[in-house]
Amino acid sequence: GESVGLHLPTLSVQEGDNSIINCAYSNSASDYFIWYKQESGKGPQFIIDIRSNMDKRQGQRVTVLLNKTVKHLSLQIAATQPGDSAVYFCAERNMNTGFQKLVFGTGTRLLVSP
Amino acid sequence: GAVVSQHPSWVICKSGTSVKIECRSLDFQATTMFWYRQFPKQSLMLMATSNEGSKATYEQGVEKDKFLINHASLTLSTLTVTSAHPEDSSFYICSAVLDRNSYNSPLHFGNGTRLTVT
Repeated sequence: GESVGLHLPTLSVQEGDNSIINCAYSNSASDYFIWYKQESGKGPQFIIDIRSNMDKRQGQRVTVLLNKTVKHLSLQIAATQPGDSAVYFCAERNMNTGFQKLVFGTGTRLLVSP
Repeated sequence: GAVVSQHPSWVICKSGTSVKIECRSLDFQATTMFWYRQFPKQSLMLMATSNEGSKATYEQGVEKDKFLINHASLTLSTLTVTSAHPEDSSFYICSAVLDRNSYNSPLHFGNGTRLTVT
């Protein structure tokens, strides 16, 4: 079936390093992707999104890259801070299956050491 | 920014009892709300889609008679876990959207409700 998955379950970095979190998706019809940050005991927090007609989008300290050829999505966090420690999920949406109905990936835990 | 509020944030109940969880959109009218369940160290799994004024649409494998959803107004959806059992213990999260068909209408998540059934 369709799935969105991540390569690394846990990523440990030092404060100030750049972090890269990866996500693979299998549904070629996916047309919209979102990265969420989830802190312990809280709901997902929107970080950045990208549509399938783009290959890169930048925000504040974050960049999302989309490679449709290999169905790969990544989240880059520059100058990672201890406050960035959380679980990060990619999510995909396919307008053919439903508008805001999101399929979430398995998640990557980011641990930032001071 | 838009805020979605869930209540309660945590609840402990005895096996066999029912628990109601509320999801409110505080500063916008949510035509659609979504209910997710998240087990420890796992991802969010969509349970059902709740549309104001109509019956909820449940995902495959989710018992509609056990997880009752009511979306009586544009700012409130409720999820009732009936006859709860320990295996229902989970983190329940709602999200809300103004226009479900628009890319420009972002999805806002609540902070979740931790349900523990003893």
